[in-house]
Amino acid sequence: DQQVKQNSPSLSVQEGRISILNCDYTNSMFDYFLWYKKYPAEGPTFLISISSIKDKNEDGRFTVFLNKSAKHLSLHIVPSQPGDSAVYFCAASDGYSGAGSYQLTFGKGTKLSVIP
Amino acid sequence: EAGVTQSPTHLIKTRGQQATLRCSPISGHTSVYWYQQALGLGLQFLLWYDEGEERNRGNFPPRFSGRQFPNYSSELNVNALELEDSALYLCASSLAREQYFGPGTRLTVT
Repeated sequence: DQQVKQNSPSLSVQEGRISILNCDYTNSMFDYFLWYKKYPAEGPTFLISISSIKDKNEDGRFTVFLNKSAKHLSLHIVPSQPGDSAVYFCAASDGYSGAGSYQLTFGKGTKLSVIP
Repeated sequence: EAGVTQSPTHLIKTRGQQATLRCSPISGHTSVYWYQQALGLGLQFLLWYDEGEERNRGNFPPRFSGRQFPNYSSELNVNALELEDSALYLCASSLAREQYFGPGTRLTVT
């Protein structure tokens, strides 16, 4: 049973426009959410995170929005650049159970292509 | 600041053999997590080590094991290798909720 879902395997966006990547989750115990970017043959790179007590977090061109009632989060990249082309993973962790274990549950990723 | 490092980059083993993968966390990070990224399955949590102890493990058989050393580096051992163990193995270190990943070890079992 997939607890974190990224329903769009791929997304193409023109350079300079907004990229919106979506993620849904089912586990109500998740209280911390993260986005990672991954290039082929490299490990995931941490981008931005958000705690469940917030509904928005910004860092430069990246903004993450969290809608807890809908169990939905999204990553906005504005403006999109060709260097943003990569696979983006949504991840979640549960801070309430597992005796302090913050292991991440990942979605399957969305491949973003930014077209020059 | 140096990031998470992993060795070797690639590892080729035969069915039934044992594999050992190594990870050095970011300086000051005490927690190390191991994940497996098999084809078509996404990243899956394997093991969590903190302060030298195994604290939690994912839904993997006992032939996946490891340890954490006093300097917080970690080793993942996979015994009795099976073909489906072929995957990218990623190590991450953390001090808080964010985890920072190494480049991974590509394990191929033939």
